[in-house]
Amino acid sequence: TQLLEQSPQFLSIQEGENLTVYCNSSSVFSSLQWYRQEPGEGPVLLVTVVTGGEVKKLKRLTFQFGDARKDSSLHITAAQPGDTGLYLCAGALPGSARQLTFGSGTQLTVLP
Amino acid sequence: NAGVTQTPKFQVLKTGQSMTLQCAQDMNHNSMYWYRQDPGMGLRLIYYSASEGTTDKGEVPNGYNVSRLNKREFSLRLESAAPSQTSVYFCASRLPQDRVSDTQYFGPGTRLTVL
Repeated sequence: TQLLEQSPQFLSIQEGENLTVYCNSSSVFSSLQWYRQEPGEGPVLLVTVVTGGEVKKLKRLTFQFGDARKDSSLHITAAQPGDTGLYLCAGALPGSARQLTFGSGTQLTVLP
Repeated sequence: NAGVTQTPKFQVLKTGQSMTLQCAQDMNHNSMYWYRQDPGMGLRLIYYSASEGTTDKGEVPNGYNVSRLNKREFSLRLESAAPSQTSVYFCASRLPQDRVSDTQYFGPGTRLTVL
């Protein structure tokens, strides 16, 4: 079992629709990061959330860290084909700032 | 400023062969990491190096060895490749400060197939 569970694993939607990706755990994390990965490339950091209840916005993307720092969500408004990619959440456990634990990822496809 | 570079990009091995994956970063980062990525498994940490001269095991170290050659370079060696090591391997490096908000920067990956 993965320490960080992401859902859904696959998501295919039409351009203009909204979507939410979830990242859940029974463990508390010091921080939670979201990465986006395109085919043939390494993951690229989108955002880091550190405080329980924190909400960060990046254009059409909204990231939230759960109050108990055990879960996070990524909401995309009016998805575009350019949002297509693999979205990964990654958490740093307390006392392990140097290491990240990754979720299994959500493969998002936005159809034109 | 190339960031994190990895060689080779693709490799096919036969069971039992050995090889070394190379990684270099030019961002003056202290920490470097090796991950493997398999379908439905996300990224799993193989080994990491918090600073030059130190290495530590991650979640899946069996079958691998690493060398932190200097501050820039961190190599991953498979002594006797097995089909279970077929995967995409990513190297990453991290900003010097040990803050939970620090970013890991990833290389483009090495796609390895073991027959």
